[in-house]
Amino acid sequence: GDSVTQMEGPVTLSEEAFLTINCTYTATGYPSLFWYVQYPGEGLQLLLKATKADDKGSNKGFEATYRKETTSFHLEKGSVQVSDSAVYFCAPLIYNQGGKLIFGQGTELSVKP
Amino acid sequence: DVKVTQSSRYLVKRTGEKVFLECVQDMDHENMFWYRQDPGLGLRLIYFSYDVKMKEKGDIPEGYSVSREKKERFSLILESASTNQTSMYLCASSPPAGAYNEQFFGPGTRLTVL
Repeated sequence: GDSVTQMEGPVTLSEEAFLTINCTYTATGYPSLFWYVQYPGEGLQLLLKATKADDKGSNKGFEATYRKETTSFHLEKGSVQVSDSAVYFCAPLIYNQGGKLIFGQGTELSVKP
Repeated sequence: DVKVTQSSRYLVKRTGEKVFLECVQDMDHENMFWYRQDPGLGLRLIYFSYDVKMKEKGDIPEGYSVSREKKERFSLILESASTNQTSMYLCASSPPAGAYNEQFFGPGTRLTVL
């Protein structure tokens, strides 16, 4: 069935370090791909998205590229800040189920000053 | 600004009680969703709805029901709450399925069943 595998957390980094959170997926068809972020005590909000192969989504210094050949959508940021501390979720959108998002288990990021 | 609101941020109930969680969106979205979030398990879909009075089971519907009498409101019902339903519940809404089908989330309701 459709599924997502994310890098396990928690991930702890120092401020200004480079971040990579790996995400691979198994999905029928040709899904759109999303990264959501959940800050402490809040609901999820969209961080970035990509809708076709080789598309790069970007927002707030984060980037992810849709790699169809490896079914991956890894999240990267060149220099993290304390304010980036949150839980990050990778989620492909499955169209043949009416727009259903499949969520990974989430990766908790903690950035220390 | 788009908004999804949930009736309570924190809720404490007793085993066997009937529990209602309410969600309202102001974006005129057709689709609405209920998830539960548990550590290490991510978000799991309980129920979703494509339109008023329409509902579809998600991955973990057992022990839950839903109601959608108006387009903007989607209610999750725990008929007889049990301790294993202690969790964070998140509501979301989205426009009809398409290439940019972002889901908008509410702040969540943390339910504790004693």
